[in-house]
Amino acid sequence: GAGVSQSPRYKVAKRGQDVALRCDPISGHVSLFWYQQALGQGPEFLTYFQNEAQLDKSGLPSDRFFAERPEGSVSTLKIQRTQQEDSAVYLCASSFLGFRDQPQHFGDGTRLSIL
Amino acid sequence: AQSVSQHNHHVILSEAASLELGCNYSYGGTVNLFWYVQYPGQHLQLLLKYFSGDPLVKGIKGFEAEFIKSKFSFNLRKPSVQWSDTAEYFCAVKGAYSGAGSYQLTFGKGTKLSVIP
Repeated sequence: GAGVSQSPRYKVAKRGQDVALRCDPISGHVSLFWYQQALGQGPEFLTYFQNEAQLDKSGLPSDRFFAERPEGSVSTLKIQRTQQEDSAVYLCASSFLGFRDQPQHFGDGTRLSIL
Repeated sequence: AQSVSQHNHHVILSEAASLELGCNYSYGGTVNLFWYVQYPGQHLQLLLKYFSGDPLVKGIKGFEAEFIKSKFSFNLRKPSVQWSDTAEYFCAVKGAYSGAGSYQLTFGKGTKLSVIP
């Protein structure tokens, strides 16, 4: 399809397990973003890639969170030793460029529930 | 640090009523401003954006927003809402130029709009 694709749509994990969330950006989009959306809140920035380079990871809440984009296209967000507070919707967005007049296009998100 | 405040958590309107959703932002520089909409079960979609020029911006589906720099506001308006406008609306800001805050969006908490037929 033409949009940002995220998988899985839903993920349930037990506390302490590791999870991996995948994002396929729009083809040709240089910039890729991860956001976390807690219940009743707006999305909050986690990290930003330009091609394969992770230029900003200041929003990652702890060192249990790790993101990569090794070939500059697909990205994976990994959460190690999950905690209940990690339960949220994780959104991926992509844009042709990170700044200037380029809006971000969002995927459907992955709803993560930690039991 | 940049921040966005949306004044209303939940707005309920009857069809044909006029809509105005408030958005105020805090950012120490030139900004780009956005309204995103999320229909039930769908992903966030761009409704309209302001980068520069005319502060009155027109978007899809009859929505418009006005950037008032002196008030740090970017309120969303629609003269006559429809049942199909039921959704959650998010205001967002980012810095206009390269550097810190120039790429990631900072969102408000969102406003749920319910339109009653």
